Amino acid sequence: GDSVTQMEGPVTLSEEAFLTINCTYTATGYPSLFWYVQYPGEGLQLLLKATKADDKGSNKGFEATYRKETTSFHLEKGSVQVSDSAVYFCALSDQAGGFKTIFGAGTRLFVKA
Amino acid sequence: GAVVSQHPSRVICKSGTSVKIECRSLDFQATTMFWYRQFPKKSLMLMATSNEGSKATYEQGVEKDKFLINHASLTLSTLTVTSAHPEDSSFYICSASSGAEGSEQYFGPGTRLTVT
Repeated sequence: GDSVTQMEGPVTLSEEAFLTINCTYTATGYPSLFWYVQYPGEGLQLLLKATKADDKGSNKGFEATYRKETTSFHLEKGSVQVSDSAVYFCALSDQAGGFKTIFGAGTRLFVKA
Repeated sequence: GAVVSQHPSRVICKSGTSVKIECRSLDFQATTMFWYRQFPKKSLMLMATSNEGSKATYEQGVEKDKFLINHASLTLSTLTVTSAHPEDSSFYICSASSGAEGSEQYFGPGTRLTVT
């Protein structure tokens, strides 16, 4: 079945550092890919998404490119801020799976001032 | 973006009682709603998928008689935890989708259930 694997955390960075959170997936269909963010005490929010190969999703300085050849959707940000501290979930959804969203385990990010 | 609400945000109940959690899509019609359970520092575990007007589809290992799901309208789904036990204490999150291919899921803020 479909699955998502993302790097284990926690990831601790200093402010203005470069961030990469790796995410790879397996899917029987041709999925849409998502990154969700969960700030402390809050629900999940969609951060960005990509629906086809080579699409780049971007939002709030974060980017991720849908790489079909490597089945990856790595999240990047050039300069993190303390306010980016949160848990980040990579996810996929496809028609073959009935549009159920499959989540990765989540990666907790701590950004120090 | 679309808004999904959950009520209550927190609930404490005694062991053996039942608790109902509501999930509402406030500004769009949700043909499909999903219920998740999130354990501390863990990912979301899909419990069930519900489509308006039909029975929910439960994931393997989820007791459908314990976690009753009703999707009575295009804007409301409810999850009832029956005969709750302390091990049912968790963070329950719903999401709603229009159901189109590649469509986004909009998540509610979650409900923290504590069973004493």
